[in-house]
Amino acid sequence: AQSVTQLDSQVPVFEEAPVELRCNYSSSVSVYLFWYVQYPNQGLQLLLKYLSGSTLVKSINGFEAEFNKSQTSFHLRKPSVHISDTAEYFCAVSEGSSASKIIFGSGTRLSIRP
Amino acid sequence: NAGVTQTPKFQVLKTGQSMTLQCAQDMNHNSMYWYRQDPGMGLRLIYYSASEGTTDKGEVPNGYNVSRLNKREFSLRLESAAPSQTSVYFCASSERSTEAFFGQGTRLTVV
Repeated sequence: AQSVTQLDSQVPVFEEAPVELRCNYSSSVSVYLFWYVQYPNQGLQLLLKYLSGSTLVKSINGFEAEFNKSQTSFHLRKPSVHISDTAEYFCAVSEGSSASKIIFGSGTRLSIRP
Repeated sequence: NAGVTQTPKFQVLKTGQSMTLQCAQDMNHNSMYWYRQDPGMGLRLIYYSASEGTTDKGEVPNGYNVSRLNKREFSLRLESAAPSQTSVYFCASSERSTEAFFGQGTRLTVV
C-alpha cells in the first residue's frame, strides 16, 4: 500500500527567501503525485501534480516540484516566497489506477516572516 | 458548476448520537472519498468508492459506515458518535485518481 511522509511539520522562512518542502512516498507501482494547499479556514486546492512525462512540474504562482523515482521523492520548491504563501501544504500519492485511493501526508505549515 | 457539496457545514453531537454527512458531486466522477483532518495528522482516508456500487476501507474506517447511493452521492454515517470523532471531515471526488476535488468541509464536534 502506498504511503507519504512529509518530514517537516513546520517551516518558517523570511519573505523573499527560497523554500523547500520535503515529501517522500512509498509504493510498489507507478504513482501519481500531488501537492495541495490549504489557506487558513479554507478547503484544499490542487497546487500541482505529476501524472507522467516531464518530471518537473510547475504551478501558476511560482512553485515547482520534481519527481525523483530513485529517491522516491516529490519535493516542493519556490525560489522566493511571499506573505500570501502562508498556508499548510499537503503531499499526496495515488497508485494511478481507476480503483486507486489517494493518500495524504501529515502536512507542512509554511509560515512567512516579513 | 457547484463541484463537491457537503452538508452540513457545522454540527455538534452528544456522545452516542448518530448522524449522516452528505456529499454530492456534479462532475460525473467515478471515485469519491471521505477524509478526516486533525491537527498534526494531515488528511486520513476513512472510506472511498472507486465506482458506483463499490466501497472500500481506508486508513481509519472504525466507527464509520458509508453508502454510495448513486454516482453523484456518497454519504458518511456515524452510528454512535464518540469524542474521538471530533474533526473536520472532507469529501472529495476524482476521475481515475488523477486529481481530487474537495468540498468545503464539515466541522464536527462530539461532546
